[in-house]
Amino acid sequence: QKEVEQDPGPLSVPEGAIVSLNCTYSNSAFQYFMWYRQYSRKGPELLMYTYSSGNKEDGRFTAQVDKSSKYISLFIRDSQPSDSATYLCAMRFGSNYQLIWGAGTKLIIKP
Amino acid sequence: DADVTQTPRNRITKTGKRIMLECSQTKGHDRMYWYRQDPGLGLRLIYYSFDVKDINKGEISDGYSVSRQAQAKFSLSLESAIPNQTALYFCATSDPGQRGTDTQYFGPGTRLTVL
Repeated sequence: QKEVEQDPGPLSVPEGAIVSLNCTYSNSAFQYFMWYRQYSRKGPELLMYTYSSGNKEDGRFTAQVDKSSKYISLFIRDSQPSDSATYLCAMRFGSNYQLIWGAGTKLIIKP
Repeated sequence: DADVTQTPRNRITKTGKRIMLECSQTKGHDRMYWYRQDPGLGLRLIYYSFDVKDINKGEISDGYSVSRQAQAKFSLSLESAIPNQTALYFCATSDPGQRGTDTQYFGPGTRLTVL
């Protein structure tokens, strides 16, 4: 079993829909949780970052961490075609530990 | 100019050849990383370096070697390329910063094909 599981998709939704992307993990010691976005033919870039449990909101994006269920989510409101990308979750134990990555979910927003 | 650059962007080579992929950064970060990305497997860490004198193996270092020539330069070598090393390779940098964020900044990637 992989440490971080993420459905590869693709997930296809109409423009304006609310999108929910998710990852599950097996190690309860993870403390830092990130979402990276990767456009086609580009490197990943950090989208959201959360320490420990709780929610974090940034514009149309909300990151949620449920440590009791070992489950993290990224919500995108009012989705736009420009949100079409692969979304990778990543997590780590502490700042001097390496990131453990999910496989990424490909998201397609249809105009 | 891009903060993290990789050369070459695309490379096709033959089994058994030695290949070097190069990474340069202007972000002034001490930490640098090499990853490979394969469909369905996500990003896997090959090597990482926390400063010029520090080199560490990652999850999948077999068949690869690295050189940290300076703070700004980190090269990845495939001593004798094999077809299952065909992948997209990314270099990244990071700075621990405040509160342990240690955001990683990625280059544009090198698409390597080994025939």
